[in-house]
Amino acid sequence: DTAVSQTPKYLVTQMGNDKSIKCEQNLGHDTMYWYKQDSKKFLKIMFSYNNKELIINETVPNRFSPKSPDKAHLNLHINSLELGDSAVYFCASSHTTSGGRDTQYFGPGTRLTVL
Amino acid sequence: GDSVTQMEGPVTLSEEAFLTINCTYTATGYPSLFWYVQYPGEGLQLLLKATKADDKGSNKGFEATYRKETTSFHLEKGSVQVSDSAVYFCALSDWYNTDKLIFGTGTRLQVFP
Repeated sequence: DTAVSQTPKYLVTQMGNDKSIKCEQNLGHDTMYWYKQDSKKFLKIMFSYNNKELIINETVPNRFSPKSPDKAHLNLHINSLELGDSAVYFCASSHTTSGGRDTQYFGPGTRLTVL
Repeated sequence: GDSVTQMEGPVTLSEEAFLTINCTYTATGYPSLFWYVQYPGEGLQLLLKATKADDKGSNKGFEATYRKETTSFHLEKGSVQVSDSAVYFCALSDWYNTDKLIFGTGTRLQVFP
């Protein structure tokens, strides 16, 4: 069974549309993350949730809204898509312990293309 | 703020050559250090990690030692294979900075037979 799964794997859409990406983990972790990888492969944290509570909200436009219905799911909704939103979005999860020592496990990514 | 600096790629090697990918970091607290690997078309996989100074992480023939004195975590492998061709990311996680992973820019490794 896949540990961290994302759907869809590919998403092609027009500017101005609203879309969602879903993420699920079956590892029993209590923290989940969204990262964005740009065309140059640079990875940057967007959000993290711990036990359904928002912990990290980096400088991300408010068109992006994460939602965590339970500890195993963290979805990403994007309103009014723009060309610059084209990227690969990775979901990740980890246990939360002290010191940031825990490994984050990544999903396979969702490649979003905005036309 | 915290940051990670990696050597620019691509790194191009022949099979069985020795690999070094340099990584240095800046952190406020006491970070844990990671190497992740991304094979073409796939997500990130943890390659190895070290959580305190002088720890050595190792996996699949790769190793890296957490050097606090030089704030470095260089990745090495004695004999690379074509199947090692991928993008390698150095990263840190610091409780002082909410445990988020801060990545370097990634280094593409290409190994030719």
